[in-house]
Parts: sequence; C-alpha cells; structure tokens
Amino acid sequence: QKEVEQDPGPLSVPEGAIVSLNCTYSNSAFQYFMWYRQYSRKGPELLMYTYSSGNKEDGRFTAQVDKSSKYISLFIRDSQPSDSATYLCAMSGGSNYKLTFGKGTLLTVNP
Amino acid sequence: EAGVAQSPRYKIIEKRQSVAFWCNPISGHATLYWYQQILGQGPKLLIQFQNNGVVDDSQLPKDRFSAERLKGVDSTLKIQPAKLEDSAVYLCASSLDPQDEQYFGPGTRLTVT
Repeated sequence: QKEVEQDPGPLSVPEGAIVSLNCTYSNSAFQYFMWYRQYSRKGPELLMYTYSSGNKEDGRFTAQVDKSSKYISLFIRDSQPSDSATYLCAMSGGSNYKLTFGKGTLLTVNP
Repeated sequence: EAGVAQSPRYKIIEKRQSVAFWCNPISGHATLYWYQQILGQGPKLLIQFQNNGVVDDSQLPKDRFSAERLKGVDSTLKIQPAKLEDSAVYLCASSLDPQDEQYFGPGTRLTVT
C-alpha cells in the first residue's frame, strides 16, 4: 500500500461547479497536510496548509482533514477555467518535515 | 522577490551520457530540495540540503546521481550515466527552514533516449 493515494482523474467539470478532490494515507505520523496546484510546465505552488484535523477556508477553497479516517479533501467552490491544473496533496510528519506527495489529480474546468 | 531559478529548462540526452542541472534558490533560504517528478506522478524527494550539508538523501540513487550545494547557495544535480527511466522533470525547491513553505522552481524536463 502506498503511503499516499490520490485518484489521478482526469476530472472535467463545467464552470461554476463545486469540485471535490481527496487523498487517503496510511502513515499515522503525518501531521501536516497540504494541497499544491501545478499548472502545465510549471512547478507546484502551495494552495492550502492544514495542521492536524479540522477545516480551513480560503476564499473559494476549503481544505478538510480527518485524521481518524486518514482522509483529506479539497473543495473548490464556483470553479473557474483558471482553476484548470493538477492538484497534488502532500503530507509530512517527523522532525525533518519531509513531504510525501500524491500522484496528483488533473482538473479541467470548461467555460 | 525573485523565485527559484533553474536551468536548463529542457534537456535531451542519450542513455549513458551525463547531464547536470543548476538551481539558484530564493535569497536567504537555508533549505534546498531536489525532487524528481515522473510523468503522471507526484514529486519524489531526491535530496535535501540545510545550508551546504545533506539532511536527507535516502532516495537518491547514489550510484549515478550526485548533488552538491557549495557555499550554501546554488546547487547542482548530476546524473552519470543516465538511464531511460531517468526521463522526468527535476524540480528544485527552497524554504527558509525545513518547517516553512517550500517554493518550487519551474523544473528541468529531461528526456533520455
């Protein structure tokens, strides 16, 4: 079993739709949970950061962490064509904060 | 503030040849990372530097990959000799400290034929 599992998609939605992305993990030591956005031919950029369980909201984006189920989610409300990108979940735990990434989900928002 | 710079952006080589990538992190960032991202996969950490010392190189194929960070600023990653399975995007990232946000460069896309 991989440490982090993420459905690679692809996922195609119409503009304005609510998008739900998720990852599962197996390592109980993970405490820090992140979502990165990666546009084509670019490096990943940090979108959301959550420590331990709970919800975090930033504009149209909401990140949820359920440590009891080892499940994290990213919700995008009122999706825009500019949200079209690959979304990577990442996690870390331990003293060196090493990131373990999921495979990424390719999202396309159609105008 | 300038971001993480990488060069070259693209490189095509034949198997068994050698190649080197260069990274210039954000000024003042003590921690530097090299990741390998194979098509359809998430980035995999190859090596992490804290200033000019290696913190983690557990996933670096040391028989063919080497990296250095002289003077704790710029870094180079070398592959010698390259294999077909080394075809990937090599991403450099930096952060102020290990617990801080990592900022990624645009990557170098390597194709080994």
